[in-house]
Amino acid sequence: RKEVEQDPGPFNVPEGATVAFNCTYSNSASQSFFWYRQDCRKEPKLLMSVYSSGNEDGRFTAQLNRASQYISLLIRDSKLSDSATYLCVVRGSARQLTFGSGTQLTVLP
Amino acid sequence: GAVVSQHPSWVICKSGTSVKIECRSLDFQATTMFWYRQFPKQSLMLMATSNEGSKATYEQGVEKDKFLINHASLTLSTLTVTSAHPEDSSFYICSAKGTASTDTQYFGPGTRLTVL
Repeated sequence: RKEVEQDPGPFNVPEGATVAFNCTYSNSASQSFFWYRQDCRKEPKLLMSVYSSGNEDGRFTAQLNRASQYISLLIRDSKLSDSATYLCVVRGSARQLTFGSGTQLTVLP
Repeated sequence: GAVVSQHPSWVICKSGTSVKIECRSLDFQATTMFWYRQFPKQSLMLMATSNEGSKATYEQGVEKDKFLINHASLTLSTLTVTSAHPEDSSFYICSAKGTASTDTQYFGPGTRLTVL
């Protein structure tokens, strides 16, 4: 089983749609959780950290369920510029980041 | 935010040659640098963790004699792909972390290696 598993995608949605990505992680000792965004042929960039209480940044909402070892990302009112690959990332006790394989999102005009 | 640079951004080389990739933290001291590899349509896979002044820690399955890592200063780490083969063609990304354990990792822009 992979340490971090994500919806395989791809997701193709129209502009303005709401889209949700899911992620599960296998190591219950994982300490920190993140969503990164990666554009084609570019490095990943931190989108937001994920907290147990849930957190929101504009159109983006992230949720963490430690009991289920589940992380989600919700994007509301999607824009063309949201098209990218979204990576679920987990940091364990060794402080290393483990990346999911990513979910590709294409927002269509 | 902090800036990490990589050089070169892309390189094409012949099979059997060695390629050196540099990773620099431009405005902070990076006690730890990480090297990742990403094949097309796959996720980033950690290759090794490099602490300044000590030997790198390699992930399982990564050949330390093939992927030489040097982290001689707090702002520079290098990855040398020795005797490169076409299967080494990939996107190599470094990241750097500061001195505090909670410091965010900052990613370099990546180096695209193509081995002919």
